Amino acid sequence: NAGVTQTPKFQVLKTGQSMTLQCAQDMNHNSMYWYRQDPGMGLRLIYYSASEGTTDKGEVPNGYNVSRLNKREFSLRLESAAPSQTSVYFCASTLAGLNNEQFFGPGTRLTVL
Amino acid sequence: AQSVTQLGSHVSVSEGALVLLRCNYSSSVPPYLFWYVQYPNQGLQLLLKYTSAATLVKGINGFEAEFKKSETSFHLTKPSAHMSDAAEYFCAVSGAGSYQLTFGKGTKLSVIP
Repeated sequence: NAGVTQTPKFQVLKTGQSMTLQCAQDMNHNSMYWYRQDPGMGLRLIYYSASEGTTDKGEVPNGYNVSRLNKREFSLRLESAAPSQTSVYFCASTLAGLNNEQFFGPGTRLTVL
Repeated sequence: AQSVTQLGSHVSVSEGALVLLRCNYSSSVPPYLFWYVQYPNQGLQLLLKYTSAATLVKGINGFEAEFKKSETSFHLTKPSAHMSDAAEYFCAVSGAGSYQLTFGKGTKLSVIP
């Protein structure tokens, strides 16, 4: 099992450009999450999908959109990137209803110039 | 609603000394509690979890944590620090019926030879 995979690993964008971060899990988990990590801020939830076909906002959703493409895949889109979105992005998944332990991907390091 | 407070953004210990990383939580429902570790440029890895069974929880790499309901604490300890323990540690809380984990801001552990 690959667990949770994310692409790309690194990305540099110019202000105003758009991009999609991809996430996939092969553990048959029903819930998936997108976080951003900034120094001294811990992990902050951007969006989550409790189950296939549903998505909900987290703590910091502004400037982002998500798509739960199927049970395996959950993508995060930046429509018009801003320097404030420079961060490390993590995708996670969990088998909801089983103590909520989350499994994390390796992260995408995004720089917006 | 849940929240987590980690006391100390940076902790330094000598190799072989006791490691103590503090975590206090608040939760309106019986909590599930987690400690995750993040090594440089990597994703988060589960160290241990409390899910209402034994209050003393043993995890990987010799770490353990004790759930103390009266103190709303879940401190992480290791009797003897090793150089390889240098990393950032995150405490997180969830609750039955919640799809979300709430993370603390993290504690960076340095181990001095």
